Amino acid sequence: QVQLQQWGAGLLKPSETLSLTCAVYGGSFSGYYWSWIRQPPGKGLEWIGEINHSGSTNYNPSLKSRVTISVDTSKNQFSLKLSSVTAADTAVYYCARGRDYYDSSGRYDAFDIWGQGTMVTVSS
Amino acid sequence: DIQMTQSPSSLSASVGDRVTITCRASQGIRNDLGWYQQKPGKAPKRLIYAASSLQSGVPSRFSGSGSGTEFTLTISSLQPEDFATYYCLQHNSYPLYTFGQGTKLEIK
Repeated sequence: QVQLQQWGAGLLKPSETLSLTCAVYGGSFSGYYWSWIRQPPGKGLEWIGEINHSGSTNYNPSLKSRVTISVDTSKNQFSLKLSSVTAADTAVYYCARGRDYYDSSGRYDAFDIWGQGTMVTVSS
Repeated sequence: DIQMTQSPSSLSASVGDRVTITCRASQGIRNDLGWYQQKPGKAPKRLIYAASSLQSGVPSRFSGSGSGTEFTLTISSLQPEDFATYYCLQHNSYPLYTFGQGTKLEIK
């Protein structure tokens, strides 16, 4: 059974860099893309970006200039960095399993397994 | 960008009711759509993928339908544990995923 466990700093000051890591336990790490998704308090879900085991990334254009997602295949972990944070970046951040890396059918169904979420607050 | 609009934004219903939530895409997205359920303080849970395929382990009272620009999530007989917020997600514009704004289902 695949499980995602995430961690990282929960309180940041404006202009600092958000840093979160997600570990994947069980299942295939190389067989999927891995994503970060966030949810501001009382609001909806926003996809941030994804990475595969070889380090290939895709980012939401709205955040692309500030986001870096990286992977450590030796530990089955992937990480999110978001630079120059402001109060607007206050949110619960989730990691999630993305699309099947080997699926050649053109389908990109994703996010069937999620981490527990990390509340990140940006405040001076 | 493809916009996803859910309706209604909120809904009150009773246990045993049949409930339908709609998601409309700003352009055709084939059947590249999923439905997610989120309870307070919890991560979302996928219910439906490919518009109408039931995720393993999800009760059969949940069903999805639609193709193109209009999609529906139906709960055939509401149970107490179904009161939650529901989101649709499109992946037709991959690598950009877009969620709908959510529908909050409350107890009447």
